[in-house]
Amino acid sequence: EVQLVESGGGLVQPGSSLKLSCVASGFTFSSYNMHWIRQAPKKGLEWIALIYYDSSKKYYADSVKGRFTISRDSSKNTLYLEMNSLRSEDTAMYYCAGDYGGFHYWGQGVMVTVSP
Amino acid sequence: DIQMTQSPPVLSASVGDRVTLSCKASQNINKNLDWYQQKHGETPKLLIYYTNNLQTGIPSRFSGSGSGTDYTLTISSLQPEDVATYYCYQYNSGYTFGAGTKLELK
Repeated sequence: EVQLVESGGGLVQPGSSLKLSCVASGFTFSSYNMHWIRQAPKKGLEWIALIYYDSSKKYYADSVKGRFTISRDSSKNTLYLEMNSLRSEDTAMYYCAGDYGGFHYWGQGVMVTVSP
Repeated sequence: DIQMTQSPPVLSASVGDRVTLSCKASQNINKNLDWYQQKHGETPKLLIYYTNNLQTGIPSRFSGSGSGTDYTLTISSLQPEDVATYYCYQYNSGYTFGAGTKLELK
């Protein structure tokens, strides 16, 4: 059974840092490009970051560029998102997703709330 | 950056209706477009990839079409379980979701 399990979310103050993890199982993690996608409360989906299957390329949305860093450890089947200088507008559910010609696999999401 | 405009924002239809959802890109995206379905309280699900390819396990009443800047998701006969928000997503240049179309039952 395919699983993507996110963790590391929580309530933090503006300006703080947080690191999300996404542990993959049930598929060949090292063959998939991996993304982070977020969804603010009652809002639509926003793509925020991509890392290629071999970590050779990384891309970011303008809204997070310079503040967020995507990485992966294929030996641990784990995707990461390091988030710095968090703002209230970063409050959202954060999903990891596996891309092999479409986002075939999604995690259940982890909530990040940025509030004083 | 490519902008994706979905219309209508909300669509009310009856069971059995043929439903058409639109997604328009701000520039040619060369069919590099997927459709996702998100039911209330659930994670999104891939329906259609590369404009018109039905994902495994998705009912055949769903279909996609389009080219250039204009793309369409069609449900041939609406079922109650199709109530959801539908998002288009382009990956031709950068990566962008549309704002979604919320599909309701009339």
